[in-house]
Amino acid sequence: EPEVTQTPSHQVTQMGQEVILRCVPISNHLYFYWYRQILGQKVEFLVSFYNNEISEKSEIFDDQFSVERPDGSNFTLKIRSTKLEDSAMYFCASSEVTSNQPQHFGDGTRLSIL
Amino acid sequence: AQTVTQSQPEMSVQEAETVTLSCTYDTSESDYYLFWYKQPPSRQMILVIRQEAYKQQNATENRFSVNFQKAAKSFSLKISDSQLGDAAMYFCAFQPQGGSEKLVFGKGTKLTVNP
Repeated sequence: EPEVTQTPSHQVTQMGQEVILRCVPISNHLYFYWYRQILGQKVEFLVSFYNNEISEKSEIFDDQFSVERPDGSNFTLKIRSTKLEDSAMYFCASSEVTSNQPQHFGDGTRLSIL
Repeated sequence: AQTVTQSQPEMSVQEAETVTLSCTYDTSESDYYLFWYKQPPSRQMILVIRQEAYKQQNATENRFSVNFQKAAKSFSLKISDSQLGDAAMYFCAFQPQGGSEKLVFGKGTKLTVNP
């Protein structure tokens, strides 16, 4: 069964550095999402992306964050000038051609900011 | 704003027994979707079951079924004949129909299955 894949599985970065988290959504999916889960807290929505633009973003997704679909397969989340509180599990998800189809999640990237 | 509450941080069940995980939600929407996702340790979140709010019939998927009470805004998950592989974090999630695509999650319930 097709899967959403995320790399790396664990990223350790110094505070203030930039980090790029990578995702390969399921090939025929057109909606893409990023969520994060701070340890011990709920999974929180960050952003959704469709037709090469952001369709919705949460209040968490400020100017520090950006997303991009640089080619036909990858979907990336860039975090500039990372802060300690950015440490979390980041999940990528994708869904089929219409919204409200089930979202399929990747394994997540554990981001640790030192 | 929608909220999802899972009041049981942890649950345990004996293998082959039945367990019910609770979920309540708050919304002013009339049309929406509800989901249960399963996250085994160090693994991806997997969709277990999905319920459309306009459907009165409770969704079932093999050993997994839901008790959807729209008026009470309750959406519990029943796992029958529990297996060791059912051990995982279970997340309840809400999604409005039309417009926003975001999932709103509960904090999760950690299910342990005892042999």
